[in-house]
Amino acid sequence: GAVVSQHPSRVICKSGTSVKIECRSLDFQATTMFWYRQFPKQSLMLMATSNEGSKATYEQGVEKDKFLINHASLTLSTLTVTSAHPEDSSFYICSARLAGGPPDTQYFGPGTRLTVL
Amino acid sequence: AQSVTQLGSHVSVSEGALVLLRCNYSSSVPPYLFWYVQYPNQGLQLLLKYTSAATLVKGINGFEAEFKKSETSFHLTKPSAHMSDAAEYFCAVSGRGGGGTSYGKLTFGQGTILTVHP
Repeated sequence: GAVVSQHPSRVICKSGTSVKIECRSLDFQATTMFWYRQFPKQSLMLMATSNEGSKATYEQGVEKDKFLINHASLTLSTLTVTSAHPEDSSFYICSARLAGGPPDTQYFGPGTRLTVL
Repeated sequence: AQSVTQLGSHVSVSEGALVLLRCNYSSSVPPYLFWYVQYPNQGLQLLLKYTSAATLVKGINGFEAEFKKSETSFHLTKPSAHMSDAAEYFCAVSGRGGGGTSYGKLTFGQGTILTVHP
């Protein structure tokens, strides 16, 4: 149980285009999902916290207009990288917290590798 | 505020040898502490977590970690390394209850790449 999927697993796009990444909790409902970014050989950095039915909370230094987050249902959150540039190339990982579950537990997706040419 | 420092970005051991990955944390509130493992191009898998019960926490795959408040440490150990343990390991901290800014948010260390030699 507690499986989180991400789609796509890899995406290559041209500079200036937008890319949407989906994060789904497959067998549980998640009121809260988190989006992380991991640059090569670096740690995960929290970008934003996504709550179902409300606006996402962004970490300091993360542009909310560039990284659009929508958490439209209890099983789906999307991250859209708008007007992507090569410096946005990274590994994007989401995690989900079980609705009503312990706040200390997050289930991680397998990640999405974004390459912007 | 919270932070995590993992000492040693790379650790290399022989198969069958002791694994010790170091983690020190800083937190303004009582912490939850975690160790995650990441295999190449994959997400994170939880190895173990400390949430205020026993200070010695046992996890999956034979790993364990001990919470030492006086040393603000949460080092990960395994008595005997296996080739399949080769991966990157992340220590993480989050704040407990109270609804503060760190509540439920994970802050990760820089990661330690474990290499296991035959």
